[in-house]
Amino acid sequence: GAGVSQSPRYKVAKRGQDVALRCDPISGHVSLFWYQQALGQGPEFLTYFQNEAQLDKSGLPSDRFFAERPEGSVSTLKIQRTQQEDSAVYLCASSFQVGDTQYFGPGTRLTVL
Amino acid sequence: AQSVTQLGSHVSVSEGALVLLRCNYSSSVPPYLFWYVQYPNQGLQLLLKYTTGATLVKGINGFEAEFKKSETSFHLTKPSAHMSDAAEYFCASSGSARQLTFGSGTQLTVLP
Repeated sequence: GAGVSQSPRYKVAKRGQDVALRCDPISGHVSLFWYQQALGQGPEFLTYFQNEAQLDKSGLPSDRFFAERPEGSVSTLKIQRTQQEDSAVYLCASSFQVGDTQYFGPGTRLTVL
Repeated sequence: AQSVTQLGSHVSVSEGALVLLRCNYSSSVPPYLFWYVQYPNQGLQLLLKYTTGATLVKGINGFEAEFKKSETSFHLTKPSAHMSDAAEYFCASSGSARQLTFGSGTQLTVLP
């Protein structure tokens, strides 16, 4: 596609539910990043893939957060047993190679009730 | 560890006036520096970036920024504000870790 796409754009979950957020990077982009943006804040790094390998997951806030990119293209961020503090916009970004400009998707706004 | 500080969470300027958004960084290694703009319900769009070389960087929509190592700053400027510039602006840095470290953002309001 022309840009990074994310789905769903909006997700409302009841506390304790599991959610899955999808990211389709720009075709051919090797690197993929997930960021979490709380209301009124700048995005914060969650995790990074190079192809299918998850090279850095140091930003994941708890073991309830899990990300995968099994074929080196589409990535899914999964949050288990959602909590209210998980409410945020989750941004995905991709770049052609490591160190190149990151292009961002529109984000998924997650609201946990 | 890297950090980015944006001075002023809200900035208001009149249409046609100079835009100045401030950014200071902290890094143990020479960083790459970026400015992104975010419109409501949209993703981040890159305005400009500094990697190496010329310290005055020109970006899209008439914006530019100057890397000043001695001041650890990367302020964003535009000579004449337009109504369409109203948005949130984020300064970011990256180093060897590759992921971006963002400031907390500056909301720019352009007054008619």
